[in-house]
Amino acid sequence: GAVVSQHPSWVICKSGTSVKIECRSLDFQATTMFWYRQFPKQSLMLMATSNEGSKATYEQGVEKDKFLINHASLTLSTLTVTSAHPEDSSFYICSARSEDRDGQPQHFGDGTRLSIL
Amino acid sequence: AQTVTQSQPEMSVQEAETVTLSCTYDTSESNYYLFWYKQPPSRQMILVIRQEAYKQQNATENRFSVNFQKAAKSFSLKISDSQLGDTAMYFCAFASHNNNDMRFGAGTRLTVKP
Repeated sequence: GAVVSQHPSWVICKSGTSVKIECRSLDFQATTMFWYRQFPKQSLMLMATSNEGSKATYEQGVEKDKFLINHASLTLSTLTVTSAHPEDSSFYICSARSEDRDGQPQHFGDGTRLSIL
Repeated sequence: AQTVTQSQPEMSVQEAETVTLSCTYDTSESNYYLFWYKQPPSRQMILVIRQEAYKQQNATENRFSVNFQKAAKSFSLKISDSQLGDTAMYFCAFASHNNNDMRFGAGTRLTVKP
């Protein structure tokens, strides 16, 4: 089945640093990837839609200068949290659109737990 | 904009019994997809079942089935013969036909008791 790899799975860093999270579709090409954020005991909230070769589309209230998204190839999208602060600590999940393979229109990565000290 | 509502923050059920999780949604579209995802403590998103709006027949996957009421915009999940491994957060989700994004409900935490 389609596999999406997300890396790293857990990162702890100091306040003020930038953190990059990678999302890769391993066995299919994904022209569209999605980035979600999930706070403890809450639902997934869509942050942005990443399209290969073009600028990402951000949801209302999401700072595009804070959360930089790059989708330079058909198998890789990256999310960079710039100058991270404790309030950015959260669980970040990516998904890749798979053109409805295997009955699943999106395949999810296993998520990245980000902790900012 | 589409919204998804899960009105049951928490549910519990005895092992081997049946439980139904509720979900309603709001959309002006006529063709779309609905999903139930399971998120165990590992936080992986696991697709449980999916329904295409143009199909009248309710989807079933082994012990999992849905009651899809398009006119009422309702999409409930029934879990039969509940197992301890079913304990998890369950999210109802909506996706447009063009699948540009997916909207999730707030989730229901299900606990299966031995």
